[in-house]
Amino acid sequence: QVQLQQWGAGLLKPSETLSLTCAVNGGSFSGHYWSWIRQPPGKGLEWIGEINHSGTANYNPSLKSRVIISVDTSKTQFSLKVNSVTAADTAVYYCARTFMIGFGELLQIHYHYVMDVWGQGTAVTVSS
Amino acid sequence: SSELTQDPAVSVALGQTVKIKCQGDSLRTYYPTWYQQRPGQAPVLVISVKNSRPSGIPDRFSGSSSGDTASLTITGAQVEDEADYYCHSRDSSGDRSVFGGGTKLTVL
Repeated sequence: QVQLQQWGAGLLKPSETLSLTCAVNGGSFSGHYWSWIRQPPGKGLEWIGEINHSGTANYNPSLKSRVIISVDTSKTQFSLKVNSVTAADTAVYYCARTFMIGFGELLQIHYHYVMDVWGQGTAVTVSS
Repeated sequence: SSELTQDPAVSVALGQTVKIKCQGDSLRTYYPTWYQQRPGQAPVLVISVKNSRPSGIPDRFSGSSSGDTASLTITGAQVEDEADYYCHSRDSSGDRSVFGGGTKLTVL
């Protein structure tokens, strides 16, 4: 059974760099995307980005200029860095495993992207 | 389009049926998945591929899609179903994930 264990600094000052790591325990590291999602206090889920085992990453356009997601396949870990944080980056950050399935239906190709395993979440506060 | 729209809040009487909707153009190609989030907890997948339920999810949860609208239905809502529910899909390019704004379900 796959488990995701995440960790990182929980208190940052404005302009510092947020750094979180997520370890994948069990299961296959390849064949999936590895995602980061955040949730500001009292608000909904926001997708930050994802990476596959080859290092191909996709990012939320609203965060792309400040975010780097990397992968270490030897350790089956992936990481998130957010530069120049502000109070608006205060949130609970989650890592998650994502898989994609495509199938034909009614003469069209459809896809599911499924986040089936989640980390426990890391609360990050940005405050001076 | 990269937006998924959900009603912010829905209520249901104990034991009754409730439908939570999610609307977005990309749902015509990228079918949704649904997540339940209780206060202080990580989201949990409740509706997966082709509206299947992961192991451990009660069969009172079901999903459906038609065109640009998807629905999560809870048949016989229980007190423990009170939570926030999020739909998730991709944007029209398929390169980025997107979540709906979430629906807060209250069981009366």
